Amino acid sequence: GENVEQHPSTLSVQEGDSAVIKCTYSDSASNYFPWYKQELGKGPQLIIDIRSNVGEKKDQRIAVTLNKTAKHFSLHITETQPEDSAVYFCAATPYYGQNFVFGPGTRLSVLP
Amino acid sequence: NAGVTQTPKFRVLKTGQSMTLLCAQDMNHEYMYWYRQDPGMGLRLIHYSVGEGTTAKGEVPDGYNVSRLKKQNFLLGLESAAPSQTSVYFCATNGGSGEKLFFGSGTQLSVL
Repeated sequence: GENVEQHPSTLSVQEGDSAVIKCTYSDSASNYFPWYKQELGKGPQLIIDIRSNVGEKKDQRIAVTLNKTAKHFSLHITETQPEDSAVYFCAATPYYGQNFVFGPGTRLSVLP
Repeated sequence: NAGVTQTPKFRVLKTGQSMTLLCAQDMNHEYMYWYRQDPGMGLRLIHYSVGEGTTAKGEVPDGYNVSRLKKQNFLLGLESAAPSQTSVYFCATNGGSGEKLFFGSGTQLSVL
């Protein structure tokens, strides 16, 4: 089955700097890759997603890139702000399956 | 429009007790899921349902049962709680395979 690895497990950046979180997946059938942000005491919230027919997607300060050949995808946050501090999860899922396989999460801290 | 609502938000059980967690969605989604979240392990799928009256096992189903008697509700039951079931439980829904996944706010369960 699918296995998703995520790095780093913790990340601290200064306000205004960029943050990058990387994930790798194992199942070449996976074709949908969402990213979730989880704030303390809340459920994960979808922030951006990408499908395998696209190499990059951007939404204001957030972008996701996908390299299908290498089986990895990354989340990029530019001009970080204190409210970006949270735990971020990547996930992968095949078009035919019901199971989203999640990475273990990255705790991002944006220092003022 | 509440989205995905979970009850209760917190619960403490003694070993051997039983309880039911309720997930209700007003998004008219066919698919519903129960995940557990443990530190450093991401989200793991317990059970899921692809429609009213259907259920299926996920990655970690042992010790749990589920029912989907109505399209909008998905119940997770613990018949005889064990300390290993101490976790945060999340319900999620989507419209089908590979579609965006929406989460509830979670239930924090402690089994003593």
